[in-house]
Amino acid sequence: QVQLQESGPGLVRPSETLSLTCTVSGGSISPYYWSWIRQPPGKGLESIGYIFYSGGTNYNPSLKSRVTMSVDTSKNQFSLQLSFVTAADTAIYYCARHRSAMASLDYWGRGTLVTVSS
Amino acid sequence: EIVMTQSPATLSVSPGERATLSCRASQSVSNNLAWYQQKPGRAPRLLIYGASTRATGIAPWFSGSGSGTDFNLTITSLQSEDFAVYYCQQYNNWPRTFGPGTTVDIK
Repeated sequence: QVQLQESGPGLVRPSETLSLTCTVSGGSISPYYWSWIRQPPGKGLESIGYIFYSGGTNYNPSLKSRVTMSVDTSKNQFSLQLSFVTAADTAIYYCARHRSAMASLDYWGRGTLVTVSS
Repeated sequence: EIVMTQSPATLSVSPGERATLSCRASQSVSNNLAWYQQKPGRAPRLLIYGASTRATGIAPWFSGSGSGTDFNLTITSLQSEDFAVYYCQQYNNWPRTFGPGTTVDIK
C-alpha cells in the first residue's frame, strides 16, 4: 500500500521560505506524477503544482513566481519550496500522487499544518 | 482558470436515505472530473474519477454521473461513516481546480 508522509517546519516567519518534503513508501516514485495541494484552515483546496519523477514541473500560475519543486528518486522523496511567504500561505499542505499529468489524485498524505507568523 | 461550484453547501440527510450532490464547471471539462471525501482531520480520499468510475475499494453505494459542465455524486443509502465533506475537482485544464465542497451531515 502506497503511503505518503509530509515533513517540515510547522512555523515559518513572514518573507521567509517554506520547505516541505514528501516521503513515499510502499511503492516507487517512478513513473508517477506528484502534487502539492494546500488547504487554508476552514477553506477549500488549492493546487500548488506537480512534478514528474524525472523532474519536469508545472506550477499554478497564481504561485508560479514563488514555487520550486524538486525530486530525489534515490530517497523516494519530492519537495516543495514556497518563497516570500505571508499569513495567506498558512494552510495544511498535502502531497499526493497521480498517474498522468492531468489525472485524479489517488493517494494522499495526511497533511501538515504550516503557520506563517512572526 | 475553470471555476467549480457545488450545491448545496450543506445537505442534511438521515442514515439510510439517498443524497445527491451537484457540481458545475464554468466550462466543459469533458469527463475529467473526480469526487473526494474528506473527514475532519483527514486527507481527502478519492471516490470517483472519470466522472463515473469508482476508485479502488470504494463502496458500491457511491456513484457519479455527468459530463461537460454538470455532474452529480449520488450516495444511495447513507451510512454513518459517509457523513463528511465532498469535493469535486476538474483535471481537464491546468491548474486543476476544486469546488468549495458540500457538507453532508446527519439530519
